[in-house]
Amino acid sequence: AQSVAQPEDQVNVAEGNPLTVKCTYSVSGNPYLFWYVQYPNRGLQFLLKYITGDNLVKGSYGFEAEFNKSQTSFHLKKPSALVSDSALYFCAVRVGYNQGGKLIFGQGTELSVKP
Amino acid sequence: GAVVSQHPSWVICKSGTSVKIECRSLDFQATTMFWYRQFPKQSLMLMATSNEGSKATYEQGVEKDKFLINHASLTLSTLTVTSAHPEDSSFYICSASPPGAGYTFGSGTRLTVV
Repeated sequence: AQSVAQPEDQVNVAEGNPLTVKCTYSVSGNPYLFWYVQYPNRGLQFLLKYITGDNLVKGSYGFEAEFNKSQTSFHLKKPSALVSDSALYFCAVRVGYNQGGKLIFGQGTELSVKP
Repeated sequence: GAVVSQHPSWVICKSGTSVKIECRSLDFQATTMFWYRQFPKQSLMLMATSNEGSKATYEQGVEKDKFLINHASLTLSTLTVTSAHPEDSSFYICSASPPGAGYTFGSGTRLTVV
């Protein structure tokens, strides 16, 4: 079965320090991977995606993610964390094709950035 | 950019009544939309895939008669929670995938059944 896992329920980082939110996947074929952020009682905001091409993907708000096929990982990173980055982060993989493909989400990781 | 509008953002209803949630694609046509349910600080669980002009595809374990989905046009999908009970209280989110883009999500609906 195709799935995605986020091994950490929570990540705590000091403001200004680099942050990493981990994601591993299990899919057949080439993976289409996504990262989203969710603020309380809100929908999801798109951060970035990997479809093909460069393994390092740059996204919104200074975030980036590295696709590693051998480790089946797609970790989210940011060089310098902000307090406003505190939110719930979801990794997702697309199952199926084109507009009919559905997203399967990881468990989510709560990021807390302290001043 | 592509926008998905979800309405209402929150609703309180009495146990036994039905509630309808709307999901609209504002600047693109969506033959497919997705409905998710989310419990506090948990992941999004896909409930069903809404298909324009045909029946929705429900995920395993989701009650079709409890969660009615209608996708009558290329820009509107609705989720009706029928005979709602307190255990149906949750955050419901819809999504669509504009051509050439990723997935866009509605702002969600907080349903509270009292």
